[in-house]
Amino acid sequence: QKEVEQNSGPLSVPEGAIASLNCTYSDRGSQSFFWYRQYSGKSPELIMSIYSNGDKEDGRFTAQLNKASQYVSLLIRDSQPSDSATYLCAVSGANAGKSTFGDGTTLTVKP
Amino acid sequence: GAGVSQSPRYKVAKRGQDVALRCDPISGHVSLFWYQQALGQGPEFLTYFQNEAQLDKSGLPSDRFFAERPEGSVSTLKIQRTQQEDSAVYLCASSLDTYNEQFFGPGTRLTVL
Repeated sequence: QKEVEQNSGPLSVPEGAIASLNCTYSDRGSQSFFWYRQYSGKSPELIMSIYSNGDKEDGRFTAQLNKASQYVSLLIRDSQPSDSATYLCAVSGANAGKSTFGDGTTLTVKP
Repeated sequence: GAGVSQSPRYKVAKRGQDVALRCDPISGHVSLFWYQQALGQGPEFLTYFQNEAQLDKSGLPSDRFFAERPEGSVSTLKIQRTQQEDSAVYLCASSLDTYNEQFFGPGTRLTVL
């Protein structure tokens, strides 16, 4: 079992809909949680970071963290075709600076 | 401002050759990370530095891999006697400090023939 699990997808939503991306992690000591967007052939780009339980909103993006359930999610409202990409969930532990990544969920937003 | 830069962007090596990949982090960023990304997978941690100190090299796949950051700024990842399984994209990231958000460079795509 990988330390960070994501549904590989592909996840397809129509333009304007809400896209919901999910991630679970195994290390209960994890402290920092990140969502990255990666376009094909490009490097990961940070979208959101979240450190405490609850919701964090930034524009069309909302990250949700539930440490008890070891679950973090990303909601994208009013999805646009330009949101089509692979979304990577990353988790950092209390005693390690490194981030452990999931394999990503591929999102396609159809016009 | 300038982001993380990496060079070369593409490298083709014959099996058995040594390669050196360079990373120039964002100015002022204390922490620097190296990751390896295979096609269709997420980045896999290789090693990280805080200033010039290499604090974790647990992800380096073999003793053929070596990384350094002698002056706490630019870092070099060296792979000796390259093998076909070393073919991947090598990503460098930097952060203000160890637990902050990491910002990635464009990566170096290594192909070993």
